[in-house]
Amino acid sequence: EDQVTQSPEALRLQEGESSSLNCSYTVSGLRGLFWYRQDPGKGPEFLFTLYSAGEEKEKERLKATLTKKESFLHITAPKPEDSATYLCAVQGMGKTSYDKVIFGPGTSLSVIP
Amino acid sequence: GAGVSQSPSNKVTEKGKDVELRCDPISGHTALYWYRQSLGQGLEFLIYFQGNSAPDKSGLPSDRFSAERTGGSVSTLTIQRTQQEDSAVYLCASSQRGVRGSNQPQHFGDGTRLSIL
Repeated sequence: EDQVTQSPEALRLQEGESSSLNCSYTVSGLRGLFWYRQDPGKGPEFLFTLYSAGEEKEKERLKATLTKKESFLHITAPKPEDSATYLCAVQGMGKTSYDKVIFGPGTSLSVIP
Repeated sequence: GAGVSQSPSNKVTEKGKDVELRCDPISGHTALYWYRQSLGQGLEFLIYFQGNSAPDKSGLPSDRFSAERTGGSVSTLTIQRTQQEDSAVYLCASSQRGVRGSNQPQHFGDGTRLSIL
C-alpha cells in the first residue's frame, strides 16, 4: 500500500536558521512527488513536482530534492512569512488507483523573528 | 475566477441532517478530487473523478457519503444523516493531464468548514 510519512511533525526556527524537512514514501512506482504549502484556513498551494531520483527544484528560499525513498525540502535563511504547514504527496503507478494522490501528515513550520 | 471555488465556506448543521458541498473546478481541468482534513491532521482522500471514467470511490468512509460530477465540471459532495465525527474541512482540488500521463499538480479550493452540532 502506498504510504507517505513526514518529519519532523513540527519545527521551530529562528529567522535565518536554515533547515530541512523530510518526506519518506513507499509507492508502487513513482509517477510524481509533490510539495505543497498550506496556510491556516486556506487550501494547499502547489510548490514543486519531482518525477525521478536526483531531480531538484528551487523557488526562492526553498529547494526540493528527491531520492528513491525520500524527498527533502530545504529552507535557506527562512523568514517569518515562510511559516506554514508543508505537505508532501505522491502519485504511484498502482493499477487499482492509477491517479490517486496520497498525502503525508505535514510538517508545521514556525519561523521566529 | 481562475481558481477552484468551493461553497459554502462554512456550514453548521444539526446531527442527522443532510448536507451538500459544492466545488467549481478550474475550467478545462479533467480531474477532480475531494479530501477531508480534520483539525491538525493530513488530507484524507475521499473520491476522485477523471473525465468520463468511473469515479474512484475507494476513500469514502461510509455509504452516507456520495459525490457526483455533472457535465465533467461542477461536483457536489453529499453527506446524509450527518454525525459529529463528520466535522472537518472538506477540500476540493482539480488538475489536468500532463504529457507524462500523470496528472499535473492539484489546485485546491479553500474548503468548506463543516461543523455538526
